[in-house]
Amino acid sequence: QVQLQESGPGLVKPSQTLSLTCTVSGGSISSGGYSWSWVRQHPGKGLEWIGYIYNTGSTYYIPSLKNRVTISVDTSKNQFSLKLSSMTAADTAVYFCARVYVDYFDYWGQGILVTVSS
Amino acid sequence: DIQMTQSPSSLSASVGDRVTVTCRASQSISSYLNWYQQKPGKAPKLLIYSASSLQSGVPSRFSGSGSGTDFTLSISSLQPEDLATYFCQQSYSTPLTFGGGTKVQIK
Repeated sequence: QVQLQESGPGLVKPSQTLSLTCTVSGGSISSGGYSWSWVRQHPGKGLEWIGYIYNTGSTYYIPSLKNRVTISVDTSKNQFSLKLSSMTAADTAVYFCARVYVDYFDYWGQGILVTVSS
Repeated sequence: DIQMTQSPSSLSASVGDRVTVTCRASQSISSYLNWYQQKPGKAPKLLIYSASSLQSGVPSRFSGSGSGTDFTLSISSLQPEDLATYFCQQSYSTPLTFGGGTKVQIK
């Protein structure tokens, strides 16, 4: 059974860079056919896909965040990571990591609430 | 970007009722439509992929239909544990986008 677990700070100051890690267990992040994504959910709102990375290192980021976001993968640790720079209050959200199989999100982490505040 | 519009935004139904949620895409997305269930404080869970394929382990009371721009998620007999918000998601093109959600409450 594949499991994903987010880790990182729950509180970030404005203008700082958010760094989150997703640890994958029960399967190899290097397995072909999957991509690894980050999705966020603003409080009480819908879901916003941030982007994905393949085990080859190929990435896609949504245009509205492209200048601030980096997703990377560490196959030796079976982890992938999100960095989001220049954080503002508008980035306060629950951040989920998820596996994408074909074109749907089949496994999700439990989510981590990140609050941007001084 | 492809916009996904769900209706209604919320509904209240009794246990045993048939419930239908609608999702409309701003352009044709063939059958590249997936449905998720999110219970309060939890991560979304995949219910239906490719418009009508039931994810393994999901109860058969859930079903999906549609193609092109109009899609539906149906719950044939609503159960208390179906209290949740339901999201559609298109996978026809990047950026992947979600509908705004439909909150299902039990009367």
